[in-house]
Amino acid sequence: NAGVTQTPKFQVLKTGQSMTLQCAQDMNHNSMYWYRQDPGMGLRLIYYSASEGTTDKGEVPNGYNVSRLNKREFSLRLESAAPSQTSVYFCASREDGSMNTEAFFGQGTRLTVV
Amino acid sequence: GENVEQHPSTLSVQEGDSAVIKCTYSDSASNYFPWYKQELGKRPQLIIDIRSNVGEKKDQRIAVTLNKTAKHFSLHITETQPEDSAVYFCAGPSRDTGRRALTFGSGTRLQVQP
Repeated sequence: NAGVTQTPKFQVLKTGQSMTLQCAQDMNHNSMYWYRQDPGMGLRLIYYSASEGTTDKGEVPNGYNVSRLNKREFSLRLESAAPSQTSVYFCASREDGSMNTEAFFGQGTRLTVV
Repeated sequence: GENVEQHPSTLSVQEGDSAVIKCTYSDSASNYFPWYKQELGKRPQLIIDIRSNVGEKKDQRIAVTLNKTAKHFSLHITETQPEDSAVYFCAGPSRDTGRRALTFGSGTRLQVQP
């Protein structure tokens, strides 16, 4: 039982390049999330998927797209990376976002855009 | 996050002392308040949570109190140990997502001096 798994762990991109961050959970959770973490700013919600087949914007969605591929997988895509997207990205899942349940986090992806 | 404010941003205590971190929220309908601990370079992990039908919850050396009237909740760590050194985040349901996602405070860096 691996929980939430993210790939890659580290990535360096040049400005304008694109990439997809992958996330998978094996807990049969309905809800999945992407957050970014910047120093002094906590965790900010980028996009979320309350259930399979749905996606919605969070607090900071500009420059990102997401795909809920199936119940297990939720990917985050940067189409044209910018230095402002340098951050640590965390994927998380919950049994059901509408219930008061624990969020489980992946190990994070440290992205640097130069 | 847009709904939760956390302070202090940094806290230094001597080993054996108590530490208190406070969060305020704006959404009076919020009913779930978790606390996460993040060690350096690691993922956030839940340490304790409280639901709005109780005022206090304890788990060994940690406790969370909730004041719904004042709309604030606090994390209390007693008999602090060096391994308590980490960043702590409070969270609550995000009103902007219809409470389907968590919004996080900006974090408190706790340092326990041996």
